[in-house]
Amino acid sequence: DAKTTQPNSMESNEEEPVHLPCNHSTISGTDYIHWYRQLPSQGPEYVIHGLTSNVNNRMASLAIAEDRKSSTLILHRATLRDAAVYYCILTRQGAQKLVFGQGTRLTINP
Amino acid sequence: DSGVTQTPKHLITATGQRVTLRCSPRSGDLSVYWYQQSLDQGLQFLIQYYNGEERAKGNILERFSAQQFPDLHSELNLSSLELGDSALYFCASSVGDRGINSPLHFGNGTRLTVT
Repeated sequence: DAKTTQPNSMESNEEEPVHLPCNHSTISGTDYIHWYRQLPSQGPEYVIHGLTSNVNNRMASLAIAEDRKSSTLILHRATLRDAAVYYCILTRQGAQKLVFGQGTRLTINP
Repeated sequence: DSGVTQTPKHLITATGQRVTLRCSPRSGDLSVYWYQQSLDQGLQFLIQYYNGEERAKGNILERFSAQQFPDLHSELNLSSLELGDSALYFCASSVGDRGINSPLHFGNGTRLTVT
């Protein structure tokens, strides 16, 4: 699986938007971009995934660069509950497993 | 609530012992995945089952084995336990008909402590 690079940590304030970056310069044409997050003392939680176009759901938006070498997870209005480790993961179509990296630890200040 | 149930939540045992971790997937999900999370290794994929058959294998030790039963629940068996096996063990499930591109739903894990 292609490698992703994320900042180790980020900090933001409650009720402000958060942009979590992910670089994946070796992405291939069939690689999907997934985001999961892990809240303290819980299992990972699916956030969003996409292939080429930007994606929106009730939790977040995924903005994918035109060359697909980077993407950004956008939390539109952060709450304290969004404090978690966020993982950006690439998978080939038909892959049977997710490979987690170290992720970005997001801290939300009240 | 992800709909994935893992039991027990906590397990404390001694080196050399054997334990069984249990996972009930979300209703309708055919795939079950097992992951291990330790402080130094992060989340490591162990093994995946789809409708009772092994589909993918990760860095699972020979001392560990798993199976998925006809009712789709899964068990992870860990034997000859060592101190280094202390970790959180997560189970996840998915519909499984489109590979990993169906979202995975994780349980809250079993915390295993080997003393």
